[in-house]
Formats: sequence, structure tokens, C-alpha cells
Amino acid sequence: NAGVTQTPKFQVLKTGQSMTLQCAQDMNHNSMYWYRQDPGMGLRLIYYSASEGTTDKGEVPNGYNVSRLNKREFSLRLESAAPSQTSVYFCASSEQGAQEKLFFGSGTQLSVL
Amino acid sequence: KQEVTQIPAALSVPEGENLVLNCSFTDSAIYNLQWFRQDPGKGLTSLLLIQSSQREQTSGRLNASLDKSSGRSTLYIAASQPGDSATYLCAVDSNYQLIWGAGTKLIIKP
Repeated sequence: NAGVTQTPKFQVLKTGQSMTLQCAQDMNHNSMYWYRQDPGMGLRLIYYSASEGTTDKGEVPNGYNVSRLNKREFSLRLESAAPSQTSVYFCASSEQGAQEKLFFGSGTQLSVL
Repeated sequence: KQEVTQIPAALSVPEGENLVLNCSFTDSAIYNLQWFRQDPGKGLTSLLLIQSSQREQTSGRLNASLDKSSGRSTLYIAASQPGDSATYLCAVDSNYQLIWGAGTKLIIKP
């Protein structure tokens, strides 16, 4: 049972470079999320997709874009990376919204130099 | 604005002890509260979800309680084991988005 799969696990970028973080879930969940986790802070929501075909901004969307490619896949793109985007990024999914249990991927450690 | 606090940030106890982790929130208008476990370098695993109408949930040696009126939840771990060492995070569903605490890092000493 794969659950939520994120790639890559680690990435180092130079300031100004772009990249896309990939996320896929095999649980037929409707809702998907992208979070970032910084030391000493709780997770912060970047973007979420309540259902296929919809995306909405979370608490910290600036500098990011997302695509809900289909029901399984939800990608996060950094168009011009900045050092402030150095963080651990987590993708998560739930059957329907935040009222259900969330299932997480193993995370992407991103460093922007 | 909903804020979630977990105190202490770190806790170290000997194996076998019963312990309580705390989570407090500022706005009692929540839909549910979840407790998660995070192991180093890994994602989060949902442990317990308490709906706003519930007072507690149990899973094995874990028991989570919810007191909305006082804005508090506790996670009780019975007979702690070294394998329980991890960071424990709570999150409240406030307006259909989860608001997270920063977590309590728990170390169980053999």
C-alpha cells in the first residue's frame, strides 16, 4: 500500500531556479494538500485542492503554484526559488476535507542557496 | 484567528511511565481535533481524531480527550515504550482548514 508518494525526497536549488514537487495518492481521496514545515513552527498550509478540478490558497501561498492534474496527482511549483522557501514540504490527502483523517507523504527537504 | 499551542516543546521520561501531552487552542469553535505522530525524516501519521461532539477517543495505549469550553486537548500515553519516542503534533479543524501546533518532542529513556 503506497498511500501518498512524494518526489523528490531531497533537492538543492540556487536562488531563482524553478522546480516542481510531485505528489500522488492511491487511496481515491478527493482532497489533497501541500504544507511546509519550518523548525519550531507548526505546519502551514500552502495550497489545497478540495476536489479534482479545484484549488485554493492556504495560509502561505506566495511564491508557489499548484496543479491538480487528476484525482491522484497534485503538484507544487516554485517558479523562482528564494532562500525563504528552504523548508520541508509535505503533501497530504484526505477522503473529503479537513474533517477526515489526513494521510501524509514522507516529505521533501528543500534547500535554496 | 485560531492559534494552537503545545507545551512543553520537549519532554523526556523513563520507560514505563504514563504521560500526558497538552494541546491548547484559542477559539472553541472547532469541527474536530487530530493528534499526529512524526518520526525523524518521515511524514506524519494520524493517531486519533476527535469530533467536536466527542469527549475522547482511544486507540490501544493512547487516549485523547477534548474540552472545547476550555480550549484544551490531552494525549495520554500509558506504559510508555522507547518506540513511542517521536514528535507529537495536534491540529484543530477551524473553518475547514487545519491549524497546527508546533509539536512536543517526546523521548522515552530505556
